[in-house]
Amino acid sequence: KNQVEQSPQSLIILEGKNCTLQCNYTVSPFSNLRWYKQDTGRGPVSLTIMTFSENTKSNGRYTATLDADTKQSSLHITASQLSDSASYICVVSHNTGGFKTIFGAGTRLFVKA
Amino acid sequence: DAGITQSPRHKVTETGTPVTLRCHQTENHRYMYWYRQDPGHGLRLIHYSYGVKDTDKGEVSDGYSVSRSKTEDFLLTLESATSSQTSVYFCATGGTSGGTGELFFGEGSRLTVL
Repeated sequence: KNQVEQSPQSLIILEGKNCTLQCNYTVSPFSNLRWYKQDTGRGPVSLTIMTFSENTKSNGRYTATLDADTKQSSLHITASQLSDSASYICVVSHNTGGFKTIFGAGTRLFVKA
Repeated sequence: DAGITQSPRHKVTETGTPVTLRCHQTENHRYMYWYRQDPGHGLRLIHYSYGVKDTDKGEVSDGYSVSRSKTEDFLLTLESATSSQTSVYFCATGGTSGGTGELFFGEGSRLTVL
């Protein structure tokens, strides 16, 4: 069964600290993986996309990694800011029939001053 | 921004009443989706559309119907609302099939069924 598991469920860090969010998936055959950021009361917004051949991609203070062999991805946030407080959702797409996109339940990040 | 607006943004209704949520896009995306988001669950697909009058069921379609008479509008209807349909509903659009490309989300519609 195609699944996407994220950990931790929630995380509290101090402003200025770094953190890493994890995403493990069983989706196959793999097409791509996206990380979305969802602010409270808003819709998700795409942060980055990873394809099979990519293992690292940065978007400002956000760096996503992908290990297609172990089917794991991580999102690293550097020098966190209060505005980073949000849910981060891992979304994996596959190449088989039917609807092709599986959402993780998200990691809720709280950045405290 | 992809120009996706949802209405109403908030609604409280009673069990057994019909409810329609509207999604309007200005990006001319072919594909449109309705998701629901509940605590502890990822976004779950209710229905999607791959063109005018072309729709299909998602993983949690029971109790919901959709219609798309124009490219820009996608309606979600709860024929007889139940308390289990209390949720936040998100509309999304995209340019590629199966949701494999970037999805652009609306701001959500919070529905409470009493």
